[in-house]
Amino acid sequence: RKEVEQDPGPFNVPEGATVAFNCTYSNSASQSFFWYRQDCRKEPKLLMSVYSSGNEDGRFTAQLNRASQYISLLIRDSKLSDSATYLCVVNSGGGGADGLTFGKGTHLIIQP
Amino acid sequence: EADIYQTPRYLVIGTGKKITLECSQTMGHDKMYWYQQDPGMELHLIHYSYGVNSTEKGDLSSESTVSRIRTEHFPLTLESARPSHTSQYLCASSEYLSSATGVSYGYTFGSGTRLTVV
Repeated sequence: RKEVEQDPGPFNVPEGATVAFNCTYSNSASQSFFWYRQDCRKEPKLLMSVYSSGNEDGRFTAQLNRASQYISLLIRDSKLSDSATYLCVVNSGGGGADGLTFGKGTHLIIQP
Repeated sequence: EADIYQTPRYLVIGTGKKITLECSQTMGHDKMYWYQQDPGMELHLIHYSYGVNSTEKGDLSSESTVSRIRTEHFPLTLESARPSHTSQYLCASSEYLSSATGVSYGYTFGSGTRLTVV
């Protein structure tokens, strides 16, 4: 099983709709979780951290399910500008690079 | 506004040339990273550093080398560029936390260097 798995999509969604995607992770010791956004030919940018209790930032809601080892991202009232690749990011839980493992990303296309 | 800078932004160079990609950050972060990413593909970690005089190889084998003489500076060097090195190279940094805590901060990425070797 890969460390971080995401459905690559693309998800084609009409403007104004709600869209959600999940990401599963394999390391049960992981403690830090993030969603990054990457626009075409640009660098990834931190969208939001994911906290155990779930958290919301405007139209974006992130959830963590430790028992099933997945995190989710919900986007409400989607905008054309939300079109991007969303990267699920999980920390390794120590050792090695002691850093973050990036998923391959989910490609989202918001259609007018 | 960017606190992590990469130069050059674009580089087209001939096969066999030596090149150095620059990365500097002003946030005082201890940890720095180099990633390689082809268009539409995933990020691959090629080098990282815990701090001054620390360099480690990442998950993806790379013919490049790095150095960390100063906290803010983490250059990547290719001694002899080849067409297979054509890619986007992204530098990132983060605050360092002891691996014992299992907690990480998010990374801040530079704008990247798009390298083309002809």
